[in-house]
Amino acid sequence: DIQMTQSPTSLAASVGESVTITCLASEDIYGSLVWYQQKPGKSPQLLIYGATILEDGIPSRFSGSGSDTQYSLKINSLQPEDFASYYCQNGLSTPFTFGSGTKLEIK
Amino acid sequence: EVQLVESGGGLVQPGRSMKLSCAASGFTFNNYDMAWVCQAPKKGLEWVATISYDGSSTYYRDSVKGRFTISRDNAKSTLYLQMDSLRSEDTATYYCARQGPQLGYFDYWGQGVMVTVSS
Repeated sequence: DIQMTQSPTSLAASVGESVTITCLASEDIYGSLVWYQQKPGKSPQLLIYGATILEDGIPSRFSGSGSDTQYSLKINSLQPEDFASYYCQNGLSTPFTFGSGTKLEIK
Repeated sequence: EVQLVESGGGLVQPGRSMKLSCAASGFTFNNYDMAWVCQAPKKGLEWVATISYDGSSTYYRDSVKGRFTISRDNAKSTLYLQMDSLRSEDTATYYCARQGPQLGYFDYWGQGVMVTVSS
């Protein structure tokens, strides 16, 4: 199985700041990296797939990058609604494995 | 508008069975692979199973192989998860999710249904 190591586990930032979350796959996943946002008590929401492709309706302050085994999610100019948990996911092959999540909190 | 509405959760004793349903609407159900993803309380996301658009192929995580069965009824636009021999570690919120075309991502999720396995 492909292991997804996500960091940091938690992160505190202020509105207006930029943050980066990283995800390391245990083997090359050829750009098949997915990012989700989840707010407390809610279902996950797709943000980015194919490592860099922004899902329709997602603000452009979210961006994804990376290749091979290393990927990142960057959020520019944090807004109050961005404080949530974020998960990466291997989309290459089953089992579709997720990172352990990053909780983004307000500083 | 795409909607996925799960039902069938609740409290069940270890070793017993439970069947979850997911009613889909707002898209052509039989064009999409579908999946179940779970999340234990205060924990992260775990993919459980996927079924191909026509039901001909199914895939499971190792911990549920032989105990869980994913199926679909395209005429009813409904996805199912039959869960047998339930264990306490199966306690989680179970989400029905639509799988995106070609790549293994989940573009729409249901609201989730809680399954609690406890005596």
